[in-house]
Amino acid sequence: QVTLKESGPALVRPTQTLRLTCTFSGFSLTTSAMRVSWIRQPPGKALEWLGRIDWDDDKFYSTSLKTRLSISKDTSKNQVVLTMTNMDPVDTATYYCARTPKSAVGMGYFDYWGQGMLVTVSS
Amino acid sequence: EIVLTQSPGTLSLSPGERATLSCRASQSVSSTYLAWYQQKPGQAPRLLFYGASSRATGIPDRFSGSGSGTDFTLTISRLEAEDFAVYYCQQYGSSPITFGPGTKVDIK
Repeated sequence: QVTLKESGPALVRPTQTLRLTCTFSGFSLTTSAMRVSWIRQPPGKALEWLGRIDWDDDKFYSTSLKTRLSISKDTSKNQVVLTMTNMDPVDTATYYCARTPKSAVGMGYFDYWGQGMLVTVSS
Repeated sequence: EIVLTQSPGTLSLSPGERATLSCRASQSVSSTYLAWYQQKPGQAPRLLFYGASSRATGIPDRFSGSGSGTDFTLTISRLEAEDFAVYYCQQYGSSPITFGPGTKVDIK
């Protein structure tokens, strides 16, 4: 059974750095072609892909946010970590991690999602 | 970056009616690398289709996906109560991955 769950601070001050952890089970990021992405959704708005880390430690980032983002993994703990610097109130959103199955071609789609975590940026 | 446009923004229909949702890309999506998701309030998105027309596990056959190039369609043949939700398309043919703005299907 595949599960993913996001954890981290619910409230972040402007200019601070956000660090979110995705803890997953039911698959391994050491398996060839497995990938985990971060996606966010501001309240009442659409989904926005932030970035992805692959089984071989390749990383891909959103064009508009790549200077602020970093994604890493700890395969021994089955965790993926998102770091976003210089947080702003416009970054208030529900942050999801999601899995791309090894069978997915191209940049991949998402077959399992975490429940999401609302992060509010406010002073 | 491929921009996805979805229409209509809101679709107001009654249970039992047919729903047709459109997703248009600003440039051709490689090899029909287009996915559809359903999202209900307070829930994470749920994968419906990948490869434009391949149904994900557990998705009822009243849902169908079609299209290629720049024009894609999600059809729900007969709406049931649990189908009223927001639907997003996503392209994964090129980086960065992009999502459409969504179509809300609500009860008329």
